[in-house]
Amino acid sequence: DAGVIQSPRHEVTEMGQEVTLRCKPISGHDYLFWYRQTMMRGLELLIYFNNNVPIDDSGMPEDRFSAKMPNASFSTLKIQPSEPRDSAVYFCASSLIQGGRAETQYFGPGTRLLVL
Amino acid sequence: GNSVTQMEGPVTLSEEAFLTINCTYTATGYPSLFWYVQYPGEGLQLLLKATKADDKGSNKGFEATYRKETTSFHLEKGSVQVSDSAVYFCALYPSGGYNKLIFGAGTRLAVHP
Repeated sequence: DAGVIQSPRHEVTEMGQEVTLRCKPISGHDYLFWYRQTMMRGLELLIYFNNNVPIDDSGMPEDRFSAKMPNASFSTLKIQPSEPRDSAVYFCASSLIQGGRAETQYFGPGTRLLVL
Repeated sequence: GNSVTQMEGPVTLSEEAFLTINCTYTATGYPSLFWYVQYPGEGLQLLLKATKADDKGSNKGFEATYRKETTSFHLEKGSVQVSDSAVYFCALYPSGGYNKLIFGAGTRLAVHP
């Protein structure tokens, strides 16, 4: 399996622009997670999906952030408009339910976002 | 609530030194416990896990024992290598079926030749 795939790997944009990050989870996995990592705040869970349905979006920082999962093999995280404080590494992860639990998460390589 | 506390880094060691990274947790019931590792420029990857009290997880020379009496899951390695330089995250999977991991803040390890 190719693992979790994220694109782009690097993104540089200007303040006010729309940014779309993409994720392809491991085939057959039930859960998909979006995280943000910064030096100041560490690793933060933004939102997660179960079978393409958002379960908990309490970590989404504000209305500028939105996430979708139109099908089992694709998810997007959109920031509109972007701000310099959104600069971070964004990770996507997926997991599979086994025995009623989805314990082990598999992370993608991340998208490094810089908003100027 | 559920939480994980790790020792602050960075931890700086010489090659072949003994490593301990402390991790304690707060949780109800019987969570599963994990160590993830993040190498520079990469995503997190599972290093080891333990699913019940007194279980020992091990991988690549690293070990951690699930201690319910002390609510701890300390990571150890007998002889570190330069290639072990990374950030290590302790995490718990709550027993309440929330299906998400609770991560600690991470501990950066730097190993010098």
